[in-house]
Amino acid sequence: SQTIHQWPATLVQPVGSPLSLECTVEGTSNPNLYWYRQAAGRGLQLLFYSVGIGQISSEVPQNLSASRPQDRQFILSSKKLLLSDSGFYLCAWSSGVEGQPQHFGDGTRLSIL
Amino acid sequence: GQNIDQPTEMTATEGAIVQINCTYQTSGFNGLFWYQQHAGEAPTFLSYNVLDGLEEKGRFSSFLSRSKGYSYLLLKELQMKDSASYLCAVSDSNYQLIWGAGTKLIIKP
Repeated sequence: SQTIHQWPATLVQPVGSPLSLECTVEGTSNPNLYWYRQAAGRGLQLLFYSVGIGQISSEVPQNLSASRPQDRQFILSSKKLLLSDSGFYLCAWSSGVEGQPQHFGDGTRLSIL
Repeated sequence: GQNIDQPTEMTATEGAIVQINCTYQTSGFNGLFWYQQHAGEAPTFLSYNVLDGLEEKGRFSSFLSRSKGYSYLLLKELQMKDSASYLCAVSDSNYQLIWGAGTKLIIKP
């Protein structure tokens, strides 16, 4: 069966520091991969998605970036965090087949001080 | 623009039935998903509708009317563990999910 791992679970970082969140998927090949951010009490905001190695689409211009160095690895990065980057970050995968749902990792709660 | 509307919060009693509505206006439609999200956790998939009508899965059912841009999630025999947020998401013409803000469901004994 397929599993998705996301770490760390929580992170407290000072303003201006760098960020690296990692997500890996097991049990499937060539998944679609997604990074979302969820502000408290709000819906999911799509940040990046990828349909293959090295292919990244950005939905929201910001100081974050994403990379997909391997088929089942998706990384979210920032060179300098802002206060507004605080939130709940979720990685998800899907098979890319119509009607198949996205499956989420456990999420990373990021607090910027 | 693209828009998904859901009530912000609903309250129901243990053992009762509750209906959570979702209306949408999107560029294209390739199906509608419902997810459950407990506080502090990731969303988990509940149901998918792409054709009009009712899909039943145990205590949960989901209904879709494409002509009205409307769906609902029906939860029967409510249990305390059903206290969670319920997210409606529509797959648009590019197969990207457009998410509603979620409905927080509070179950009272």
